[in-house]
Amino acid sequence: KQEVTQIPAALSVPEGENLVLNCSFTDSAIYNLQWFRQDPGKGLTSLLLIQSSQREQTSGRLNASLDKSSGRSTLYIAASQPGDSATYLCAVRLSSGDKLTFGTGTRLAVRP
Amino acid sequence: SAVISQKPSRDICQRGTSLTIQCQVDSQVTMMFWYRQQPGQSLTLIATANQGSEATYESGFVIDKFPISRPNLTFSTLTVSNMSPEDSSIYLCSVAIPNTGELFFGEGSRLTVL
Repeated sequence: KQEVTQIPAALSVPEGENLVLNCSFTDSAIYNLQWFRQDPGKGLTSLLLIQSSQREQTSGRLNASLDKSSGRSTLYIAASQPGDSATYLCAVRLSSGDKLTFGTGTRLAVRP
Repeated sequence: SAVISQKPSRDICQRGTSLTIQCQVDSQVTMMFWYRQQPGQSLTLIATANQGSEATYESGFVIDKFPISRPNLTFSTLTVSNMSPEDSSIYLCSVAIPNTGELFFGEGSRLTVL
């Protein structure tokens, strides 16, 4: 059974700082991995999708990497802003028709 | 990408009643998913809604409690039946884009059961 863990559970940083969020998964034979952002009481916004054949994806100030062999993904946020404050979730899929397994999330607060 | 609309966005319900949540997608998709997010928790998959066939439920979820309809490729409903306070959660509809498998979510429906 796939298990997904995110560390840290919560993080508070001053504005402008670069930061890294971590995601670990137990079964390395994944199909893809996706990072989401969730604002309080809202749905999820897709940030980045990494296919199993890829090592990283970039979108603006966000960069996600994937290391299947070690069962890890990181989400790098450059020059953080207060608007980045949210919960960040990673999710993995084992095969194309399989469900996503979600991590427990990292709650990020960026202080002005 | 996909644009997903959910209704209602929030509701307060009495114990023992049922509520139906609607999910509308702006494009035709094969797979639609219903998730539950209990307070302070991550997401748990309730079921996969298949067009033209019965929904596939995950362990711990049953059709009598969470009946699902999928009349066409752009619409689905989830009913939360005979509600109790333990059903207070955010219920989220999502779809997978066929060519990439990327998952998109609606804004969620926040249910409070008194």
